Amino acid sequence: NAGVMQNPRHLVRRRGQEARLRCSPMKGHSHVYWYRQLPEEGLKFMVYLQKENIIDESGMPKERFSAEFPKEGPSILRIQQVVRGDSAAYFCASSQRTGTGVGEQYFGPGTRLTVT
Amino acid sequence: AQSVTQLDSHVSVSEGTPVLLRCNYSSSYSPSLFWYVQHPNKGLQLLLKYTSAATLVKGINGFEAEFKKSETSFHLTKPSAHMSDAAEYFCVVRANYGGSQGNLIFGKGTKLSVKP
Repeated sequence: NAGVMQNPRHLVRRRGQEARLRCSPMKGHSHVYWYRQLPEEGLKFMVYLQKENIIDESGMPKERFSAEFPKEGPSILRIQQVVRGDSAAYFCASSQRTGTGVGEQYFGPGTRLTVT
Repeated sequence: AQSVTQLDSHVSVSEGTPVLLRCNYSSSYSPSLFWYVQHPNKGLQLLLKYTSAATLVKGINGFEAEFKKSETSFHLTKPSAHMSDAAEYFCVVRANYGGSQGNLIFGKGTKLSVKP
């Protein structure tokens, strides 16, 4: 059973370009979370999605950032008009529904975004 | 609101000596607590989790943690450090919204160094 997959692993963008980060959850998992890790800091929650629904986007910056998890295909975190401050590691986690709620989260290897 | 505080940003031990990484939590609900490990430029791996069963939780690689409600602590320990334990460790609490289980809230991390 493949784990959570993220691609690309490393992404370099110039200021003003768009960045698209992809996350394929573990097989059977219908819940996806995105987290951002800035240098020397812990991970910060960004957004929680189920298939075709955004459940909680309280951690998302109000502008330039968007996320989706379509019925088919991976979850996408999209950053428009990137700035240097967007340079960070972006981690995706997935979980499955259990009888009592949502199960534990399994993390992908992350995408390291560098904005030049 | 829930939060975790990791009391040490950096801990250094000698190989073969005990490891203690300290974590205090704040939660108005009965918390779900986790320890994750992150090796350099890698994703996160779950070490162990507490979900209101036994207060002493055993995890992988010889780590364990004890949930102490009276002290609001969830410290991570290991009797004997190995060189491969050198990594960053995150104490984590899961956000709870009226019974459903949501995103993870991370501490700032503790970097563990192991000297030969």
